[in-house]
Amino acid sequence: AQKITQTQPGMFVQEKEAVTLDCTYDTSDQSYGLFWYKQPSSGEMIFLIYQGSYDEQNATEGRYSLNFQKARKSANLVISASQLGDSAMYFCAMREGQTSYDKVIFGPGTSLSVIP
Amino acid sequence: NAGVMQNPRHLVRRRGQEARLRCSPMKGHSHVYWYRQLPEEGLKFMVYLQKENIIDESGMPKERFSAEFPKEGPSILRIQQVVRGDSAAYFCASSPFATNEKLFFGSGTQLSVL
Repeated sequence: AQKITQTQPGMFVQEKEAVTLDCTYDTSDQSYGLFWYKQPSSGEMIFLIYQGSYDEQNATEGRYSLNFQKARKSANLVISASQLGDSAMYFCAMREGQTSYDKVIFGPGTSLSVIP
Repeated sequence: NAGVMQNPRHLVRRRGQEARLRCSPMKGHSHVYWYRQLPEEGLKFMVYLQKENIIDESGMPKERFSAEFPKEGPSILRIQQVVRGDSAAYFCASSPFATNEKLFFGSGTQLSVL
């Protein structure tokens, strides 16, 4: 069963505007971690942001913030003031069980294109 | 402090040959993950290893694929008798412990099977 869902295969945003990339997840664990990674056309995986399930505040890292809604099981990535260099694939990921040896699984990704 | 090192960066094999992909985790990291990415798709989990132990291999095909992470040396993903469908990018990631807040990724190995 798909545990990470990213319903937007492709998104466009105007340069300097904000954009939200959706991510919903499915887990029965109370303890888990959520990640966002960026993959530009060069192929490397770049860590953006992390949210623990017990973190009370939404995570922020510079222009990136994670809109964490635990009851809805959503962990949307918000990119403010988009730049041309933000054009890339974006992957949401989850690790279940922060106290056990659990793998990290990735969603199918969203392709973001920033328009000048 | 070197990052996660994968080699080779590109690997070309003919059908039926063996492919060996290497991953040296970051210094001090004892947890290694292997992922496969097909063109236009996301990363699919293959295997999770700790030094000398396979923690979770639920994503590994039952045949032809194996992985190890010895006490000394890099982690190896081995694909025997490669087929065209094995052509993909293979990524390795490492972390210092099981619940780390970040996976550190290598640059990947692009395997092409002719």
